[in-house]
Amino acid sequence: AQSVTQLDSQVPVFEEAPVELRCNYSSSVSVYLFWYVQYPNQGLQLLLKYLSGSTLVKGINGFEAEFNKSQTSFHLRKPSVHISDTAEYFCAVSDQGTGNQFYFGTGTSLTVIP
Amino acid sequence: NAGVMQNPRHLVRRRGQEARLRCSPMKGHSHVYWYRQLPEEGLKFMVYLQKENIIDESGMPKERFSAEFPKEGPSILRIQQVVRGDSAAYFCASSAQGVPYEQYFGPGTRLTVT
Repeated sequence: AQSVTQLDSQVPVFEEAPVELRCNYSSSVSVYLFWYVQYPNQGLQLLLKYLSGSTLVKGINGFEAEFNKSQTSFHLRKPSVHISDTAEYFCAVSDQGTGNQFYFGTGTSLTVIP
Repeated sequence: NAGVMQNPRHLVRRRGQEARLRCSPMKGHSHVYWYRQLPEEGLKFMVYLQKENIIDESGMPKERFSAEFPKEGPSILRIQQVVRGDSAAYFCASSAQGVPYEQYFGPGTRLTVT
């Protein structure tokens, strides 16, 4: 089974500052990679995904992530955060062979400080 | 709203009662996935269903939990004789045939067991 590690449980950052949320996974097979955002008491919204091709993936709301196969990482970045980015962020992985079961990290709570 | 729908959004049950959670997939989607999110944790896969078939139930607790996705109507996650440890958010996702990595999530049902 896959395991997904989000190294930072809480990340406070000032408004308009850059942010990086880290995600590492353990896998011996090819994977698909995802970042989801969850606002309080809401469901998960897909920010971006890596399926194949370019390792730099751009998503919604100005977020991007880079797939690094050698380091088994998929870190999420945004050059300038906004108050509205305050939310919980989840990294997820699925095996390319099956793809039906997503493995989620424990989440990173991003708090943007005015 | 053409998204994944779940109801109820909030459900309160006393210990020993039954909980029934419903999920209507996106239009055109025939695959449904259930995940559970315990407090302060990421989502954990429970079960994957197609119409009238359980494909993968490797994440389902062995007792008290069952799921179905009938030919007509929503998918149902049933928890019998609920206990306090069942208190969690239960998310449903759906995908179209052949693209299990394109999962769209519903808003979740928050179950509280008193």
